[in-house]
Amino acid sequence: KNEVEQSPQNLTAQEGEFITINCSYSVGISALHWLQQHPGGGIVSLFMLSSGKKKHGRLIATINIQEKHSSLHITASHPRDSAVYICAVRSYTDKLIFGTGTRLQVFP
Amino acid sequence: EPEVTQTPSHQVTQMGQEVILRCVPISNHLYFYWYRQILGQKVEFLVSFYNNEISEKSEIFDDQFSVERPDGSNFTLKIRSTKLEDSAMYFCASRRGGVAFGSGTQLSVL
Repeated sequence: KNEVEQSPQNLTAQEGEFITINCSYSVGISALHWLQQHPGGGIVSLFMLSSGKKKHGRLIATINIQEKHSSLHITASHPRDSAVYICAVRSYTDKLIFGTGTRLQVFP
Repeated sequence: EPEVTQTPSHQVTQMGQEVILRCVPISNHLYFYWYRQILGQKVEFLVSFYNNEISEKSEIFDDQFSVERPDGSNFTLKIRSTKLEDSAMYFCASRRGGVAFGSGTQLSVL
């Protein structure tokens, strides 16, 4: 069983839609990261969370430590948001454990 | 904005050859990592490095792999005798608080 599970695996949306990507984990963590990976392969860090909620522009990330669950929301989605979104948890030994990613496509 | 730099962006090598993947982490970062991503799979942890020594390594990081921080700025991953299954995208990362990733080296072993 994967230590970090994401859903859905694939997501298609129309421009302007509200999008939610979910992440559940089964290990103890010191922090959770949401990352974005574009087709060229590069990985960009969007958020690092250890509690509560963070917002950056149209992106919102929340975490519930008790339930071991996090969500990434995109408001007013745009075609340029199309990418793979990855949830990764930082273990107590400092390594990142990655989910399999959610492939998002936003159509105009 | 400071960034993690990796070279080369692509490396093609013959099976059994040695390769060195290079990384320049962000200058005030303290923790350094190598991860890899086999095509179509999730990113996997290889090794973490702090205070000039390995903090943790995965099962993948066997005796064929080694890391060095030779001069206080570069951070290298060496694979001594490459195998076909080493073909992957290799990412260097560094952090002080949040983590930053390099753009990756695509290694192809023929």
